[in-house]
Order: sequence, then structure tokens, then C-alpha cells
Amino acid sequence: SQKIEQNSEALNIQEGKTATLTCNYTNYSPAYLQWYRQDPGRGPVFLLLIRENEKEKRKERLKVTFDTTLKQSLFHITASQPADSATYLCARPRGSNYQLIWGAGTKLIIKP
Amino acid sequence: DTGVSQNPRHKITKRGQNVTFRCDPISEHNRLYWYRQTLGQGPEFLTYFQNEAQLEKSRLLSDRFSAERPKGSFSTLEIQRTEQGDSAMYLCASSPGQGRTYEQYFGPGTRLTVT
Repeated sequence: SQKIEQNSEALNIQEGKTATLTCNYTNYSPAYLQWYRQDPGRGPVFLLLIRENEKEKRKERLKVTFDTTLKQSLFHITASQPADSATYLCARPRGSNYQLIWGAGTKLIIKP
Repeated sequence: DTGVSQNPRHKITKRGQNVTFRCDPISEHNRLYWYRQTLGQGPEFLTYFQNEAQLEKSRLLSDRFSAERPKGSFSTLEIQRTEQGDSAMYLCASSPGQGRTYEQYFGPGTRLTVT
């Protein structure tokens, strides 16, 4: 079955450093992967989508990679700030439809 | 604010009671999704609408759960005979219905507590 695995342990990063979060998937490579940010008590907020044929995608301080050989996506935040502290979720489509399968998320803590 | 809205934000109910939640998606979005999320987990898919048609429903959704989207606008999620295991955050999301646009826009959620 298709699964998304994210590191369940919180990631503590010093302000100004680059934070790197990992998303591993099982089964066949999806057409795309999505990354979302979720703050406590709120719904997820869409950040980036990377397609299977894209190796890398950037948006301001964010960078996402997609490695179909490793079945893995990496999410980077450069020049991290305390305001980047949140839980980051990775999601893939289930088959060719619009239903998403979600990872449990990784909690990122940026320390000043 | 033209984002996704959900009401109520919080609901406390006694076991066995029925509850209904409402979701108002972004007005031009054709697709609407319902998810359930518990602490420390990602959202779990419940059901999906394309306009007023309910196209997918999770096998995890028991007969006590029902969702509607009359006229393809707002949607309601009803849980009958609530159980303590139904306690969770219920999230609604919407997305555009045209082109290769897959990102979903979420509401703030309705937190359900069943006592």
C-alpha cells in the first residue's frame, strides 16, 4: 500500500541555519508531492508542489527536491527564523485521483 | 476574507448525540474535501466532492458519517450517534476544478470532543 513516512521526532535548528526535512514514500513514484505547513490548532497551508519530472523547486527561502530513485523528497528552509517553527506535512496523491495520502508531519523548532 | 471557513470551530457533545459541521469553500473552487486529524497525525481523507457529486468516500467512513454538498457550494458533514473515538479535528479543504492545480486550501477546522 502507499505510505508517506516523515521523521516523527522534532527537529531543533539554530536560527540562521538551514533546516532539512525528509519525506519518504513507498510503492510507485507519485506524479507529484506536496508540502504543507501547519501551525497548532490551524489547518495546513500549502507551500510547494514538485512534479515527478522536476528535480528541484524553489520559492523564496524554501527548496524542495524529488528523488525517484531514493523514493524521497527533501524540504529545505534556508536562513531559518523562529517564525518558521511549525509542523511540516508531506502528501502524495493516491493513484491518479485527487485524494491525498499524508505523512504524520515533522515538527520544526527554530531556536533564536 | 475569501478563504475556506468552517463552523463551528469547537463542538463538545455527549456520546450518542448527532453533530453537523459546515464548510464554506473558496467560491470559485469546484472540489471540496473532508479530512479528520488526530494529534500527532496527518490529515486522514474522509470524502471528496466535485461540485455537488460525492466522488469518493473513505472505507474508514462508517455508516454513521454522511456528507452533502447541495448545489455545489457549501458542504455539511454529519456524524450520527457519536462515539468517543470520533473526537478529532475535522478539516475541510477546497481546490480549483480546472487545469493541473492540485494544491488544497484548508479551513481552520472544527474540533470535536465527545464526552
